[in-house]
Amino acid sequence: DVKVTQSSRYLVKRTGEKVFLECVQDMDHENMFWYRQDPGLGLRLIYFSYDVKMKEKGDIPEGYSVSREKKERFSLILESASTNQTSMYLCASSLLLPNYGYTFGSGTRLTVV
Amino acid sequence: SQQGEEDPQALSIQEGENATMNCSYKTSINNLQWYRQNSGRGLVHLILIRSNEREKHSGRLRVTLDTSKKSSSLLITASRAADTASYFCATDHNQAGTALIFGKGTTLSVSS
Repeated sequence: DVKVTQSSRYLVKRTGEKVFLECVQDMDHENMFWYRQDPGLGLRLIYFSYDVKMKEKGDIPEGYSVSREKKERFSLILESASTNQTSMYLCASSLLLPNYGYTFGSGTRLTVV
Repeated sequence: SQQGEEDPQALSIQEGENATMNCSYKTSINNLQWYRQNSGRGLVHLILIRSNEREKHSGRLRVTLDTSKKSSSLLITASRAADTASYFCATDHNQAGTALIFGKGTTLSVSS
């Protein structure tokens, strides 16, 4: 069964910590995405990548960075975690071809205290 | 980015009834997709309809698309308790450097 795996289901970090959220897919997909989901705001795109070492800013990239050193892995980095980054983080992947859906991971619920 | 808007925000029905949720968007699309999210989990892709299609079926799901009105609807027939979830529409605007734009979702509750 094809999968997108997020390394942590729940995470609690302290304000100011550097936080790494890892995402791995086994489908050889070119595209990978990071969204955050907050009540009343839906899913908002943070960053995405369409190839190794390539990255594109989404709608809310401030306070985040990403790394894609290998095709199957896309990491989201919170440089200095803040309480307003408490959220559900969702990773997804897709083929580069048009008209394909996204495959999502199960999400990481991050709490910054 | 401009999001799709789902309507209603919440829907409660009995098992066996049909559930209809709607999505409106603002700019031209390449395709429109529907996803389901069970509580606290990731999203699952349900169905994709291309801009040149008007209707599509998958099992108990029926999706329609009206590009002139920039709207879509998702119909779930003969609902089951297991259909209880949030449903999101997502639009692909086929512009370089963009990704799917998701609406805020409709929360469906199916009681037995």
